[in-house]
Amino acid sequence: GAGVSQSPRYKVTKRGQDVTLRCDPISSHATLYWYQQALGQGPEFLTYFNYEAQPDKSGLPSDRFSAERPEGSISTLTIQRTEQRDSAMYRCASSYDRTDTQYFGPGTRLTVL
Amino acid sequence: QQQVKQSPQSLIVQKGGISIINCAYENTAFDYFPWYQQFPGKGPALLIAIRPDVSEKKEGRFTISFNKSAKQFSLHIMDSQPGDSATYFCAASKGGSARQLTFGSGTQLTVLP
Repeated sequence: GAGVSQSPRYKVTKRGQDVTLRCDPISSHATLYWYQQALGQGPEFLTYFNYEAQPDKSGLPSDRFSAERPEGSISTLTIQRTEQRDSAMYRCASSYDRTDTQYFGPGTRLTVL
Repeated sequence: QQQVKQSPQSLIVQKGGISIINCAYENTAFDYFPWYQQFPGKGPALLIAIRPDVSEKKEGRFTISFNKSAKQFSLHIMDSQPGDSATYFCAASKGGSARQLTFGSGTQLTVLP
C-alpha cells in the first residue's frame, strides 16, 4: 500500500469492553511496531513484530493488552476489559527491516468512557 | 522514567527566524537519534537522524547538533517557514535488535507569517 493505515480512526467504548485495533503496514515491510501516545506526550513503545514473530512485548502495560500478526502482514492490538486509563492514541509503524526508518500510521484514537 | 527529555514544550518563531529544540537523554546505550515531524491528524514522519559518531548533520534547512559528552542533541530549523508549524519529537534508540524508539514529549512549533 501507499502507507501505513489503521482502523478504526476513532473508537469510543465503555469501561470493561474489549476493543481490537487494526494496522495494515506498508507491503513488504517485515517489522511492525505498536506505540501508545497519551495526549501531549510522545509515543511510547508497546511491542513489535518481525514478520509474525513477536520478540518483544516488554512495553505492553498489562496482560489485558495483546497483539497478533499471524501472517506477517496485518496486525491487531486487542485490549481486554478496557479501563479509562487506556484512553490514548494508538499508533502503528512499519519498517522494511529492524534497522530501517519507521513509517507511522495516522493512529486510532481510543476513548474509554 | 523519562529517558528523553525535550524542551521547550511550545515555541513561537517569526518567519525567517531560527527554531531550536533541545533534547537530553540518560541512557548511554542509545546510538541513534531521529527527529520526527507531526502535522495535525497525521502520524509522525522522520525528518532527520544522527548517530553519535558525528557532531552535526545538516539536511537543507534542518540541522541536528549532537553533544555526546553532555548527552544532549538539538534540532535547528533555519529560515523557519509557516509550513514548518508542527509538533516535533526527538527520539532515541539502541542498536542491535529492533529499533523501539524512546520519544521525547514533543514541541509544538508555530511559525508566524
